[in-house]
Amino acid sequence: NAGVTQTPKFRILKIGQSMTLQCTQDMNHNYMYWYRQDPGMGLKLIYYSVGAGITDKGEVPNGYNVSRSTTEDFPLRLELAAPSQTSVYFCASSITPGGTEAFFGQGTRLTVV
Amino acid sequence: QQQVKQSPQSLIVQKGGISIINCAYENTAFDYFPWYQQFPGKGPALLIAIRPDVSEKKEGRFTISFNKSAKQFSLHIMDSQPGDSATYFCAAGKTTNAGKSTFGDGTTLTVKP
Repeated sequence: NAGVTQTPKFRILKIGQSMTLQCTQDMNHNYMYWYRQDPGMGLKLIYYSVGAGITDKGEVPNGYNVSRSTTEDFPLRLELAAPSQTSVYFCASSITPGGTEAFFGQGTRLTVV
Repeated sequence: QQQVKQSPQSLIVQKGGISIINCAYENTAFDYFPWYQQFPGKGPALLIAIRPDVSEKKEGRFTISFNKSAKQFSLHIMDSQPGDSATYFCAAGKTTNAGKSTFGDGTTLTVKP
């Protein structure tokens, strides 16, 4: 039972490069979320999706883009990486809205140099 | 404006003692209050959650106390064990709105043997 799977686990990017963080879930959850976690801070919501084809901005969306073509997949795209995007990124999914009973992936540690 | 304030930032407890972590929220529209446990290198995992229609919820050694009038809720870990050493996050959400969950900044708990 995989749950929420994120790839890659670690990545180093140079300033200005782009990349896609992958997230897939096998629980048939409609609601999916991307968070970033900075040291000593809680999780900040970047983007979320309430179902295939529907996405919306969270608290800190600048510099990121998402898509949701299937129920299972919710990739996060970073365009023109900046040092301020150095963080740990978590993808999560839930069967109900509001992040209730959310299941998290193991995270992607991204460093922008 | 931080919608959920969590304290303390760190906590050291002796084995067998009681660990208490507090959170205060501002938005009275929140109707779901979960606590997450996060071990190093892992994603957060739901520990216990409460809705505002009850004042207390207990699951094993973990208890949430909820004070609606004060807009505060707390996590109590009874008989704390070294294996409980982790970072704990409180959160608040609105079950009808996927984009309205917010997290506290976390409490790092160390249980000394």
